[in-house]
Amino acid sequence: SQTIHQWPATLVQPVGSPLSLECTVEGTSNPNLYWYRQAAGRGLQLLFYSVGIGQISSEVPQNLSASRPQDRQFILSSKKLLLSDSGFYLCAWSARDWRYNEQFFGPGTRLTVL
Amino acid sequence: AQSVTQLGSHVSVSEGALVLLRCNYSSSVPPYLFWYVQYPNQGLQLLLKYTSAATLVKGINGFEAEFKKSETSFHLTKPSAHMSDAAEYFCAAIIQGAQKLVFGQGTRLTINP
Repeated sequence: SQTIHQWPATLVQPVGSPLSLECTVEGTSNPNLYWYRQAAGRGLQLLFYSVGIGQISSEVPQNLSASRPQDRQFILSSKKLLLSDSGFYLCAWSARDWRYNEQFFGPGTRLTVL
Repeated sequence: AQSVTQLGSHVSVSEGALVLLRCNYSSSVPPYLFWYVQYPNQGLQLLLKYTSAATLVKGINGFEAEFKKSETSFHLTKPSAHMSDAAEYFCAAIIQGAQKLVFGQGTRLTINP
């Protein structure tokens, strides 16, 4: 069966510090991968998605970036965190075929920027 | 452009009462539709999905949803609410050839004892 991992589970970082969140998927190959953010009391905001190694689409211009160095690894990064980067970050995967395109979500990372 | 609208950001029902969470979509072609549930500090879990087969879809935890093309709706229902149903619920849609789901803004369901 497929599983998706995210780490760390929680993170507290000072403003201006760098960020690296990691997501890995097991039990499938060639997945689509997604990064979402939930700010407090708000819905899901799609940040990035990837349909293959090295292929990243950005949905919202900001100080975050994403990379996909391996087929089942997706990394969210920032060089300098802002207060507004606080939130709950979710990674998700889906099959490449749009007909099976329900997304499966990881457990999330709670980021607090102080 | 495709969009998903969830009517009511907060819904409160009594334990044992009917749960009705509303979702309407806007799409030039019939989409596939999904309902997800999110418990506090957890990821989203798929409740059910509509993929153009039966219009009445049954999901986990006693939930079901009916696709109504004429009303462009996909409302989520459960006959009798349980305290464990308290969570955030998201409706989502995808159209043919797309790579991304479009999510509604979510509805927070509160169950009163």
